[in-house]
Amino acid sequence: QKEVEQNSGPLSVPEGAIASLNCTYSDRGSQSFFWYRQYSGKSPELIMSIYSNGDKEDGRFTAQLNKASQYVSLLIRDSQPSDSATYLCAVKPSSYKLIFGSGTRLLVRP
Amino acid sequence: EADIYQTPRYLVIGTGKKITLECSQTMGHDKMYWYQQDPGMELHLIHYSYGVNSTEKGDLSSESTVSRIRTEHFPLTLESARPSHTSQYLCASRNMEASDGYTFGSGTRLTVV
Repeated sequence: QKEVEQNSGPLSVPEGAIASLNCTYSDRGSQSFFWYRQYSGKSPELIMSIYSNGDKEDGRFTAQLNKASQYVSLLIRDSQPSDSATYLCAVKPSSYKLIFGSGTRLLVRP
Repeated sequence: EADIYQTPRYLVIGTGKKITLECSQTMGHDKMYWYQQDPGMELHLIHYSYGVNSTEKGDLSSESTVSRIRTEHFPLTLESARPSHTSQYLCASRNMEASDGYTFGSGTRLTVV
């Protein structure tokens, strides 16, 4: 079992819809959770971080964390074609290193 | 605006050559990391450092080496490049105490012919 699991996709949604990206993790001691966006050929860019159970909103993005169920999700409202990218979930367990998932590819259809 | 810089951005080099990929950050971060990523594939940690004179191998075996003589500088060296080293190399950093995620450089795309 991978430490951080994501569905590889692609997840295809129409423009204007809500895109829902999910991630599960194995280390119950994990305290910090991050979502990165990576465009093809580019480096990952941090878009959201969350540390407490519940929702955290930033513009069109909402991160959701449920530590009891060991999952974290990212919602993108009013999806735009420019949101098409690979989204990486990253989890910080007790060590200093972030553990990255393999990413979910999102495709927003015009 | 990136505060972590990688050079060169692209590099095409012949088999057997020695190369050094540069990574510098101006944020005073203690921790620095090197990742290798093939197109469309996941990130693989190859080296990391928690501070000056501290270097560790990552989760993916790599023939490269690193050094950390100054806080801001974390170069990666391949003594003898091979076609199997063709990949994108990403450098990242973060602060020791902060709960923030990594900041990534723009990467070096290496092609060994």
